[in-house]
Amino acid sequence: AQSVTQLGSHVSVSEGALVLLRCNYSSSVPPYLFWYVQYPNQGLQLLLKYTTGATLVKGINGFEAEFKKSETSFHLTKPSAHMSDAAEYFCAVSETGGGNKLTFGTGTQLKVEL
Amino acid sequence: DAEITQSPRHKITETGRQVTLACHQTWNHNNMFWYRQDLGHGLRLIHYSYGVQDTNKGEVSDGYSVSRSNTEDLPLTLESAASSQTSVYFCASMKGAGTEAFFGQGTRLTVV
Repeated sequence: AQSVTQLGSHVSVSEGALVLLRCNYSSSVPPYLFWYVQYPNQGLQLLLKYTTGATLVKGINGFEAEFKKSETSFHLTKPSAHMSDAAEYFCAVSETGGGNKLTFGTGTQLKVEL
Repeated sequence: DAEITQSPRHKITETGRQVTLACHQTWNHNNMFWYRQDLGHGLRLIHYSYGVQDTNKGEVSDGYSVSRSNTEDLPLTLESAASSQTSVYFCASMKGAGTEAFFGQGTRLTVV
């Protein structure tokens, strides 16, 4: 069975500061990894994903994440936060061995302060 | 443009009533999913389908059912609504493993 742990249900940063949202996963087979963002009263949209190849992946809006197999982590970063980044962020995993369903973490609410 | 739509966006129902939430996608995706979102729990999988006539239970399937009679639609039925089923429900579709899942705007269901 696969699972996702997101450390910190709420993260607050100043505008212009580094954003770091943590995600660790547990999976019996090498997984596919995703970060989704949810703005208020909206559905989720994909920020970035890791499937194979380069372990540092770049996404939309200046976000990137690095897959570290040895640490079973897929942390999301952005060098400089903007007010528009305030949203809820979800890490998700799906197994590569078959089955397409996504397992989500509990989410991290990002607040950006002036 | 292809899209995935849910209806209704908001619903209030009484305990014990049967409720059906609609999900329609024009991506022509075989894979469709229903999730519920609750504070502190993130998104939890209710049911999913990998194609027409295929349905599978997720981690929180008790009290819910789905049917898949065509590629475009995966309606979610609450057989006898309970207050514990008050939640925001999201439908999603995806082409295959490792691809992007597209989400509807959500249905906010309140059971009174």
